[in-house]
Amino acid sequence: DQQVKQNSPSLSVQEGRISILNCDYTNSMFDYFLWYKKYPAEGPTFLISISSIKDKNEDGRFTVFLNKSAKHLSLHIVPSQPGDSAVYFCAASAITGFQKLVFGTGTRLLVSP
Amino acid sequence: DVKVTQSSRYLVKRTGEKVFLECVQDMDHENMFWYRQDPGLGLRLIYFSYDVKMKEKGDIPEGYSVSREKKERFSLILESASTNQTSMYLCASSIPGQGRSNEQFFGPGTRLTVL
Repeated sequence: DQQVKQNSPSLSVQEGRISILNCDYTNSMFDYFLWYKKYPAEGPTFLISISSIKDKNEDGRFTVFLNKSAKHLSLHIVPSQPGDSAVYFCAASAITGFQKLVFGTGTRLLVSP
Repeated sequence: DVKVTQSSRYLVKRTGEKVFLECVQDMDHENMFWYRQDPGLGLRLIYFSYDVKMKEKGDIPEGYSVSREKKERFSLILESASTNQTSMYLCASSIPGQGRSNEQFFGPGTRLTVL
């Protein structure tokens, strides 16, 4: 069973516009959520995270929103840049989960000039 | 800066061969992880280790084993490689309880092809 879901396998956005990547989860024990970015032939790199005690975390052009009641989080990138083109993975961890991360299937973002 | 290195970027092996994938981290992290990444399936946890000589099965341990004899090194072993183990293999490390974020630091990956 897929505990973390990213239902959009791909997203295309024009440069300068907003990119919104979505993630849903099913396990109510998850208390920390992370977004990773992955370029081809490279390992994922950490982008931004949010604790379940918050509903928003912002870092420059990147903002993550958490809606616990809906078990939904989203990553907003404003403004989008061509260098943002990559695969984005949502991940979650549970306080009882031995620091394991459960990853979604990823969304490929393409930002065109 | 945390550095996680993997012994090979690309590897081609034959069915039935024993395959060793090596991972080394230089930041004295207690936790280390092995994942495989496949299209449409995301990253799936194979094995992890929270201390030297300790190992725990992840979600897809079948066909794999691991070894952690030193803190900085975590090896993934394919006892008898099969074509369905063709994949991108990613190693990661983390510090327990790091700000409760559980951020993991990843290596560059090894693209393994089993013929």
